[in-house]
Amino acid sequence: GAGVSQSPSNKVTEKGKDVELRCDPISGHTALYWYRQSLGQGLEFLIYFQGNSAPDKSGLPSDRFSAERTGGSVSTLTIQRTQQEDSAVYLCASSLEGTTWNTIYFGEGSWLTVV
Amino acid sequence: AQSVTQLDSQVPVFEEAPVELRCNYSSSVSVYLFWYVQYPNQGLQLLLKYLSGSTLVESINGFEAEFNKSQTSFHLRKPSVHISDTAEYFCAVRDNTDKLIFGTGTRLQVFP
Repeated sequence: GAGVSQSPSNKVTEKGKDVELRCDPISGHTALYWYRQSLGQGLEFLIYFQGNSAPDKSGLPSDRFSAERTGGSVSTLTIQRTQQEDSAVYLCASSLEGTTWNTIYFGEGSWLTVV
Repeated sequence: AQSVTQLDSQVPVFEEAPVELRCNYSSSVSVYLFWYVQYPNQGLQLLLKYLSGSTLVESINGFEAEFNKSQTSFHLRKPSVHISDTAEYFCAVRDNTDKLIFGTGTRLQVFP
């Protein structure tokens, strides 16, 4: 399909392990976002990439979280030394460019469970 | 900083009844407002948006929302709901750095 693709769809990991979550944005979309959805917490902004500009990392909750975007397309969100409170759905989204009128499209998310 | 408040975490309603999901925002700059819907086991989908112009915006499935600047609100309404409208609804504002700031969501449960 032509939507935002995320993998894995589900991940169970042991506390203390590192995890990588992948996002394939819609082709041609230069803006890419990561959000976290926790039960009862709504959607929390994590990080935003726009073209070749420096990413907006203001939402990353700790230095255990990092993200990169290679070649202006695929993005990987990495969580090091996972904790139980990291359990959530991690949502990726993209848009044509980071301007107000362009619709932001979301993937179906990666469910992370830390045990 | 911009923020969004959805006061109702859950709204139960019977089929064919009207519904209003409330959303209030805080912003000192021009606002661009959105409602997203998340059906069970699915991703977020854009329902409708207000960017400029007419303050009343509509979706293709009968929902509408009205931007009210004086009350800083963007409530979502539907005159007659269906079972298939059962979902989580998120109000969001796009800030001047182009991030979407979301409310905590309202779970609409439609009963037969």
